[in-house]
Amino acid sequence: SQQGEEDPQALSIQEGENATMNCSYKTSINNLQWYRQNSGRGLVHLILIRSNEREKHSGRLRVTLDTSKKSSSLLITASRAADTASYFCATDNFNKFYFGSGTKLNVKP
Amino acid sequence: EAQVTQNPRYLITVTGKKLTVTCSQNMNHEYMSWYRQDPGLGLRQIYYSMNVEVTDKGDVPEGYKVSRKEKRNFPLILESPSPNQTSLYFCASSWTVTDTQYFGPGTRLTVL
Repeated sequence: SQQGEEDPQALSIQEGENATMNCSYKTSINNLQWYRQNSGRGLVHLILIRSNEREKHSGRLRVTLDTSKKSSSLLITASRAADTASYFCATDNFNKFYFGSGTKLNVKP
Repeated sequence: EAQVTQNPRYLITVTGKKLTVTCSQNMNHEYMSWYRQDPGLGLRQIYYSMNVEVTDKGDVPEGYKVSRKEKRNFPLILESPSPNQTSLYFCASSWTVTDTQYFGPGTRLTVL
C-alpha cells in the first residue's frame, strides 16, 4: 500500500497565485521529500525536510512537516506557468521508498 | 555530468519474451531503485539495492528480477513479460535511502 497520499489530486490556478499541496503518510519517517515531474519525464528533487524540522524554505518553495499528524504541505508562492507539473511527496521507511499519488498543478498564464 | 541513464527509452514487446532494461549511474551512489509509474497510482518501488550484491523487494516485485554486480549498474529483468507490466519505469540512485534520489529519464514499456 502507498505510504503517502496527496491532496488535492489536481489544482488549477492563475499565474501569480500561490499553490498549496498536502501530503499525508502512514508510518514514522526519517525524512520527507518533495519531487516534481514534468509530463512523463523523470522526477526532479525539490526539497527535503527532516523529521526533526517543522518548516523549510527554498526560493519560492515552503514546506512544512507535522509529524504528530503525519502530514506535510508544499507551498509554491507567486506561481508561474513553468510550475505546471505533477508534484509528489516521498518518504522512506525500513530501507524502502514510498511516493504519494501526486498533485497535478496547472498554472494558467 | 552527474546522471542516471536508462536504456532503452521505449520498448514494445510481446508476452513472454524476456527483456532487460539497463540502468547506470556515475555518482558512486550506494542505493539504487526501480519504480513503475501507472496512472493514478504514483510511483511504486519494485526492487532496491543498498549496495553491491545486496538487493531486496519493494512494494511490487512480482514478475521482476534485478542484479547488482557493480555499484554503477542495476538492470531490471522481466523474464516473461505480461500485459499488466505495461508501464513507465524509472531507475533512481542516491547515497542512502534517506537522501535525495536522482532519476533516470524513464523507459516506456508496452507488452502486447
